[in-house]
Amino acid sequence: KNEVEQSPQNLTAQEGEFITINCSYSVGISALHWLQQHPGGGIVSLFMLSSGKKKHGRLIATINIQEKHSSLHITASHPRDSAVYICAGYFGNEKLTFGTGTRLTIIP
Amino acid sequence: GAGVSQSPRYKVAKRGQDVALRCDPISGHVSLFWYQQALGQGPEFLTYFQNEAQLDKSGLPSDRFFAERPEGSVSTLKIQRTQQEDSAVYLCASSPAPQGNYGYTFGSGTRLTVV
Repeated sequence: KNEVEQSPQNLTAQEGEFITINCSYSVGISALHWLQQHPGGGIVSLFMLSSGKKKHGRLIATINIQEKHSSLHITASHPRDSAVYICAGYFGNEKLTFGTGTRLTIIP
Repeated sequence: GAGVSQSPRYKVAKRGQDVALRCDPISGHVSLFWYQQALGQGPEFLTYFQNEAQLDKSGLPSDRFFAERPEGSVSTLKIQRTQQEDSAVYLCASSPAPQGNYGYTFGSGTRLTVV
């Protein structure tokens, strides 16, 4: 069964802190997506990666294929980063399998 | 259009009422997906179209749910005789290629509340 698990479920941090959100998945993944969802809003795609590391601004995503694990990092966190972050796996059958999300709150 | 457009953004339906949710994908995108997201949960797959063909409807929770994409562009998700458990955000996503590893663009979703 294709499974994606995230941790933590909730994360509260002070502005400026370095944030790490973790995602683990079952075998056979072709690509892993990191997505951002604001309250009442749709989903924005942040990264799609199948190996190594990607960086965009203050966001960094890494994936370790052998360990079946990915992390999303946010440097110098800001209150506007507050959102739900979701990882999703593409297992080669067209659709995504989503984790349950991590609710991040950054306090000024 | 520039993105995936969904309408309405919010829908309140009385239990037993039929509803229709619309998704307008990015022009030319081959693949279209519907997902259901319950409160506090990650999205769950409902159905997938490649052009006008519905290739996977394994996630539709009951025969009250029906989706179509007759001309390979706009899609409609219809829910008949709505129940309270149908209350959720319904997300639409499109992708330029049959295989999802070309990335997805999501709409803002339709929040359905059944009262």
